[in-house]
Amino acid sequence: QVHLVQSGAEVKKPGASVKVSCKASGYTFTDFYMHWLRQAPGQGLEWMGIINPSIGRATYAQKFQGRVTMTRDASTSTFYMELSSLKSQDTAVYYCARTPSIGTFDMWGQGAMVTVSS
Amino acid sequence: DIVMTQSPDSLAVSLGERATINCKSSQSVLYSSNNKNFLAWFQQKPGQPPKLLISWASTRESGVPDRFSGSGSGTDFTLTISSLQAEDVAVYYCQQYYTAPFSFGPGTKVDIK
Repeated sequence: QVHLVQSGAEVKKPGASVKVSCKASGYTFTDFYMHWLRQAPGQGLEWMGIINPSIGRATYAQKFQGRVTMTRDASTSTFYMELSSLKSQDTAVYYCARTPSIGTFDMWGQGAMVTVSS
Repeated sequence: DIVMTQSPDSLAVSLGERATINCKSSQSVLYSSNNKNFLAWFQQKPGQPPKLLISWASTRESGVPDRFSGSGSGTDFTLTISSLQAEDVAVYYCQQYYTAPFSFGPGTKVDIK
């Protein structure tokens, strides 16, 4: 059974960084790309970027360029998303979601709430 | 970037009645080489991640009830719930995966009248 299990909720101060993890299981790690998306409270879904698990190359949405880093650890089938220089507007639920090479998000993590507050 | 819009913002439908949600993309999401529309529909209930209902504009995912159907091509798409059930109360999003940045519509909230 396919599972994407994310790390827990975080509370951070403005200017800090946060690192969210997403552990994949139940499928071949390299067969699916992994994406990160976020959803601010009561708002819609925003795509942040994608990482190719085979080569570890990431592509980021322009809005997050310079502030986000997506990595993976193939030995533990775990993906990471680090967001720096946090602002209150970054308060959101952060999701990992996988896609096949061609296709859309067929499996999502449970989400990780990140609260940015002084 | 492709901008997705949805209408209505919300709707209330009686149990057993039809619900229809419209989605429009700012440019075509039809890939001419394979004649596929790179358009999906998701359902999200409070406190849960989105759930994929329909991909390629009209292909229902395994386990999704057949009262859910998708139609449309190019820039105009529709999600139809043929007979609304209580468990269908949720927010529904369309999403294009034709090109990055992959974008979602703002969502349509479906309630029981």
